[in-house]
Amino acid sequence: QKEVEQDPGPLSVPEGAIVSLNCTYSNSAFQYFMWYRQYSRKGPELLMYTYSSGNKEDGRFTAQVDKSSKYISLFIRDSQPSDSATYLCAKRGGSNYKLTFGKGTLLTVNP
Amino acid sequence: DVKVTQSSRYLVKRTGEKVFLECVQDMDHENMFWYRQDPGLGLRLIYFSYDVKMKEKGDIPEGYSVSREKKERFSLILESASTNQTSMYLCASSFPNEKLFFGSGTQLSVL
Repeated sequence: QKEVEQDPGPLSVPEGAIVSLNCTYSNSAFQYFMWYRQYSRKGPELLMYTYSSGNKEDGRFTAQVDKSSKYISLFIRDSQPSDSATYLCAKRGGSNYKLTFGKGTLLTVNP
Repeated sequence: DVKVTQSSRYLVKRTGEKVFLECVQDMDHENMFWYRQDPGLGLRLIYFSYDVKMKEKGDIPEGYSVSREKKERFSLILESASTNQTSMYLCASSFPNEKLFFGSGTQLSVL
């Protein structure tokens, strides 16, 4: 089983919709989770990060971790066409250096 | 403004050629990484370096080598390029335990 599983989508929503992006992980030792956003033909950039027991909100974005079900989520409120991108979840595990990424979910927000 | 620069945006090489992908960062980061990104497979770590002349294998090091002679520069080398190495290659850098900054990527085609 892959350490981080992510539904690749694609996901298409109308402008203003609430978007839920989800990943599952298999190793309870993971403590640090991140969401990266990648626009077409660009490198990923960090959007949000959370520790294993916390939720974090930043404007229209909320990152959430559910340890009991090993589930991490990113919620986007009032989605905008500029949110159209691939969203990658990632975890930092036992090594201090390595991040393991999910496959990414392609999101399109239609005006 | 932080910057990770990859020397080429697009590269076309022939099977069997030796290929060098160069990456330079201007943030004095200790850690540097090479990932490849493929549709349906996501981002996979090839190699990373945590100091000058230090390197560790990632998840898919076969067919690749790396060089880090200076702190700001991390090179990925394909000793004998093969068609299955056609991919998007992404370089990243970070301080220890902090977020990764990515370059814009090199789309390599091996014919």
